[in-house]
Amino acid sequence: QKEVEQNSGPLSVPEGAIASLNCTYSDRVSQSFFWYRQYSGKSPELIMSIYSNGDKEDGRFTAQLNKASQYVSLLIRDSQPSDSATYLCAVGNSGYSTLTFGKGTMLLVSP
Amino acid sequence: DGGITQSPKYLFRKEGQNVTLSCEQNLNHDAMYWYRQDPGQGLRLIYYSQIVNDFQKGDIAEGYSVSREKKESFPLTVTSAQKNPTAFYLCASSQSLSGRASQETQYFGPGTRLLVL
Repeated sequence: QKEVEQNSGPLSVPEGAIASLNCTYSDRVSQSFFWYRQYSGKSPELIMSIYSNGDKEDGRFTAQLNKASQYVSLLIRDSQPSDSATYLCAVGNSGYSTLTFGKGTMLLVSP
Repeated sequence: DGGITQSPKYLFRKEGQNVTLSCEQNLNHDAMYWYRQDPGQGLRLIYYSQIVNDFQKGDIAEGYSVSREKKESFPLTVTSAQKNPTAFYLCASSQSLSGRASQETQYFGPGTRLLVL
Protein backbone atom coordinates (compact mmCIF):
# COMPACT_ATOMS: atom_id res chain seq x y z
CA GLN A 1 0.00 0.00 0.00
CA LYS A 2 1.53 3.28 -1.13
CA GLU A 3 1.56 5.86 1.64
CA VAL A 4 1.90 9.61 1.86
CA GLU A 5 2.45 11.04 5.32
CA GLN A 6 1.87 14.57 6.54
CA ASN A 7 1.65 16.10 10.01
CA SER A 8 -1.99 16.93 10.60
CA GLY A 9 -1.17 20.15 12.44
CA PRO A 10 -2.41 22.69 12.97
CA LEU A 11 0.75 24.54 12.10
CA SER A 12 0.44 28.04 13.50
CA VAL A 13 2.60 30.89 12.19
CA PRO A 14 2.36 34.66 12.55
CA GLU A 15 1.64 36.84 9.56
CA GLY A 16 4.79 37.53 7.55
CA ALA A 17 6.61 34.40 8.71
CA ILE A 18 7.71 31.42 6.63
CA ALA A 19 5.48 28.36 6.86
CA SER A 20 7.12 25.00 6.18
CA LEU A 21 4.96 22.01 5.28
CA ASN A 22 6.44 18.55 4.96
CA CYS A 23 5.48 15.29 3.28
CA THR A 24 7.09 11.86 3.04
CA TYR A 25 6.12 9.08 0.65
CA SER A 26 6.72 5.36 0.46
CA ASP A 27 6.92 4.63 -3.29
CA ARG A 28 10.57 4.98 -4.33
CA VAL A 29 9.77 5.16 -8.04
CA SER A 30 7.25 8.01 -7.87
CA GLN A 31 8.02 10.72 -10.42
CA SER A 32 5.43 13.43 -9.84
CA PHE A 33 4.54 15.42 -6.76
CA PHE A 34 1.83 17.95 -6.13
CA TRP A 35 0.74 20.42 -3.47
CA TYR A 36 -2.93 21.37 -3.25
CA ARG A 37 -4.57 23.95 -1.01
CA GLN A 38 -8.05 23.25 0.34
CA TYR A 39 -10.12 25.87 2.12
CA SER A 40 -12.75 24.60 4.54
CA GLY A 41 -15.76 23.28 2.66
CA LYS A 42 -14.14 23.79 -0.74
CA SER A 43 -12.40 21.56 -3.26
CA PRO A 44 -8.61 21.30 -3.57
CA GLU A 45 -6.83 23.72 -5.86
CA LEU A 46 -3.37 23.10 -7.29
CA ILE A 47 -0.57 25.23 -5.91
CA MET A 48 2.48 23.59 -7.44
CA SER A 49 3.80 20.48 -9.10
CA ILE A 50 7.41 19.28 -8.98
CA TYR A 51 9.11 16.47 -10.86
CA SER A 52 12.88 16.92 -10.37
CA ASN A 53 15.09 17.04 -7.31
CA GLY A 54 15.72 20.50 -5.96
CA ASP A 55 13.67 23.62 -5.54
CA LYS A 56 10.89 25.10 -7.65
CA GLU A 57 9.69 28.61 -6.91
CA ASP A 58 6.42 30.28 -7.85
CA GLY A 59 5.80 33.62 -6.22
CA ARG A 60 5.69 33.17 -2.44
CA PHE A 61 5.68 29.37 -2.77
CA THR A 62 8.70 27.08 -3.05
CA ALA A 63 8.44 23.33 -3.46
CA GLN A 64 11.44 21.21 -2.53
CA LEU A 65 11.94 17.61 -3.62
CA ASN A 66 14.48 15.06 -2.39
CA LYS A 67 13.81 11.71 -4.05
CA ALA A 68 16.67 9.95 -2.23
CA SER A 69 15.04 10.82 1.11
CA GLN A 70 11.50 10.41 -0.31
CA TYR A 71 10.63 13.83 0.97
CA VAL A 72 8.81 16.81 -0.49
CA SER A 73 8.12 20.12 1.19
CA LEU A 74 6.32 23.39 0.57
CA LEU A 75 7.57 26.72 1.88
CA ILE A 76 5.27 29.71 2.01
CA ARG A 77 7.09 32.99 2.45
CA ASP A 78 5.47 36.11 3.89
CA SER A 79 2.51 34.06 5.11
CA GLN A 80 -0.85 35.82 4.99
CA PRO A 81 -4.06 35.07 6.92
CA SER A 82 -5.57 34.13 3.55
CA ASP A 83 -3.07 31.25 3.40
CA SER A 84 -4.91 29.60 6.30
CA ALA A 85 -6.13 26.33 4.82
CA THR A 86 -5.36 22.63 4.68
CA TYR A 87 -2.47 21.73 2.40
CA LEU A 88 -2.61 18.33 0.70
CA CYS A 89 0.48 16.55 -0.61
CA ALA A 90 -0.16 14.18 -3.52
CA VAL A 91 2.23 11.71 -5.14
CA GLY A 92 1.85 10.16 -8.58
CA ASN A 93 1.63 6.39 -8.67
CA SER A 94 4.22 5.26 -11.16
CA GLY A 95 2.73 3.30 -14.05
CA TYR A 96 -0.79 4.50 -13.32
CA SER A 97 -2.67 7.72 -13.78
CA THR A 98 -3.60 7.96 -10.14
CA LEU A 99 -2.42 10.02 -7.19
CA THR A 100 -2.07 9.06 -3.54
CA PHE A 101 -2.99 11.91 -1.19
CA GLY A 102 -1.81 12.61 2.32
CA LYS A 103 -4.36 13.57 4.95
CA GLY A 104 -3.23 17.17 4.82
CA THR A 105 -1.69 19.72 7.16
CA MET A 106 -3.83 22.53 8.51
CA LEU A 107 -2.05 25.89 8.43
CA LEU A 108 -3.22 28.80 10.58
CA VAL A 109 -1.73 32.23 9.93
CA SER A 110 -2.49 34.73 12.66
CA PRO A 111 -2.60 38.49 11.97
CA ASP B 1 -14.98 29.11 -19.69
CA GLY B 2 -13.34 25.74 -19.14
CA GLY B 3 -13.71 23.71 -16.03
CA ILE B 4 -15.29 20.88 -14.14
CA THR B 5 -18.84 21.06 -12.88
CA GLN B 6 -20.49 18.84 -10.30
CA SER B 7 -24.12 18.70 -9.38
CA PRO B 8 -25.92 18.90 -7.14
CA LYS B 9 -23.98 20.81 -4.50
CA TYR B 10 -25.90 19.00 -1.75
CA LEU B 11 -27.64 15.65 -2.03
CA PHE B 12 -29.78 13.85 0.48
CA ARG B 13 -30.18 10.10 0.36
CA LYS B 14 -32.84 8.02 2.03
CA GLU B 15 -31.99 4.58 3.29
CA GLY B 16 -32.08 1.97 0.54
CA GLN B 17 -31.97 4.57 -2.21
CA ASN B 18 -29.49 4.83 -5.06
CA VAL B 19 -28.35 8.34 -5.93
CA THR B 20 -26.28 9.64 -8.83
CA LEU B 21 -23.74 12.44 -8.69
CA SER B 22 -22.98 14.30 -11.89
CA CYS B 23 -19.53 15.33 -13.14
CA GLU B 24 -18.93 17.12 -16.42
CA GLN B 25 -15.72 18.63 -17.83
CA ASN B 26 -15.03 20.74 -20.90
CA LEU B 27 -11.25 20.66 -20.61
CA ASN B 28 -10.91 17.91 -23.22
CA HIS B 29 -9.22 15.78 -20.59
CA ASP B 30 -8.95 12.05 -21.17
CA ALA B 31 -8.88 10.87 -17.56
CA MET B 32 -11.51 11.41 -14.89
CA TYR B 33 -11.62 10.44 -11.22
CA TRP B 34 -13.96 10.19 -8.26
CA TYR B 35 -12.75 10.71 -4.70
CA ARG B 36 -14.40 10.59 -1.34
CA GLN B 37 -13.29 12.85 1.53
CA ASP B 38 -14.34 12.32 5.13
CA PRO B 39 -13.77 14.97 7.83
CA GLY B 40 -10.10 15.27 8.73
CA GLN B 41 -9.16 12.75 6.09
CA GLY B 42 -7.36 12.88 2.81
CA LEU B 43 -8.89 11.98 -0.52
CA ARG B 44 -9.61 8.33 -1.20
CA LEU B 45 -9.99 7.13 -4.78
CA ILE B 46 -13.30 5.45 -5.65
CA TYR B 47 -13.09 4.93 -9.42
CA TYR B 48 -11.17 6.34 -12.33
CA SER B 49 -11.47 6.24 -16.10
CA GLN B 50 -8.69 6.64 -18.60
CA ILE B 51 -10.81 6.47 -21.73
CA VAL B 52 -14.43 6.33 -22.83
CA ASN B 53 -16.20 3.05 -22.04
CA ASP B 54 -13.46 1.92 -19.67
CA PHE B 55 -12.94 2.45 -15.94
CA GLN B 56 -11.03 0.93 -13.04
CA LYS B 57 -11.75 0.47 -9.37
CA GLY B 58 -9.89 2.60 -6.88
CA ASP B 59 -9.22 1.87 -3.24
CA ILE B 60 -12.82 2.07 -2.00
CA ALA B 61 -15.06 1.05 -4.92
CA GLU B 62 -17.48 -1.15 -2.95
CA GLY B 63 -20.99 0.28 -2.93
CA TYR B 64 -20.33 2.60 -5.87
CA SER B 65 -20.71 2.35 -9.64
CA VAL B 66 -19.70 4.55 -12.56
CA SER B 67 -20.08 4.88 -16.32
CA ARG B 68 -18.07 6.68 -18.96
CA GLU B 69 -20.19 6.87 -22.10
CA LYS B 70 -18.87 10.28 -23.13
CA LYS B 71 -15.46 11.86 -22.73
CA GLU B 72 -16.98 14.83 -20.95
CA SER B 73 -19.05 12.97 -18.39
CA PHE B 74 -18.30 10.57 -15.54
CA PRO B 75 -21.34 10.08 -13.26
CA LEU B 76 -21.03 8.28 -9.93
CA THR B 77 -23.88 6.24 -8.46
CA VAL B 78 -23.89 5.65 -4.72
CA THR B 79 -25.84 2.44 -4.27
CA SER B 80 -27.80 1.17 -1.29
CA ALA B 81 -24.89 -1.20 -0.65
CA GLN B 82 -22.80 1.73 0.52
CA LYS B 83 -23.72 1.77 4.21
CA ASN B 84 -21.87 4.91 5.20
CA PRO B 85 -22.21 7.29 2.25
CA THR B 86 -22.09 10.60 4.13
CA ALA B 87 -19.03 12.40 2.75
CA PHE B 88 -17.77 15.10 0.42
CA TYR B 89 -17.43 13.71 -3.11
CA LEU B 90 -14.91 15.21 -5.48
CA CYS B 91 -14.57 14.70 -9.21
CA ALA B 92 -11.29 15.44 -10.95
CA SER B 93 -9.81 15.21 -14.43
CA SER B 94 -6.35 15.15 -15.97
CA GLN B 95 -5.06 15.68 -19.47
CA SER B 96 -3.83 12.33 -20.68
CA LEU B 97 -2.02 9.15 -19.88
CA SER B 98 0.82 9.26 -22.33
CA GLY B 99 3.30 8.52 -19.58
CA ARG B 100 4.34 12.14 -19.26
CA ALA B 101 4.28 12.97 -15.59
CA SER B 102 3.49 16.63 -16.25
CA GLN B 103 0.15 15.64 -17.68
CA GLU B 104 -0.96 13.87 -14.53
CA THR B 105 -1.99 17.07 -12.80
CA GLN B 106 -5.52 16.62 -11.60
CA TYR B 107 -8.00 19.48 -11.47
CA PHE B 108 -11.02 19.30 -9.22
CA GLY B 109 -14.66 20.21 -9.47
CA PRO B 110 -16.43 22.05 -6.62
CA GLY B 111 -17.69 18.86 -4.99
CA THR B 112 -20.99 17.34 -3.88
CA ARG B 113 -21.83 16.89 -0.23
CA LEU B 114 -23.93 13.77 0.35
CA LEU B 115 -25.99 13.47 3.50
CA VAL B 116 -28.17 10.60 4.70
CA LEU B 117 -31.68 11.30 5.92
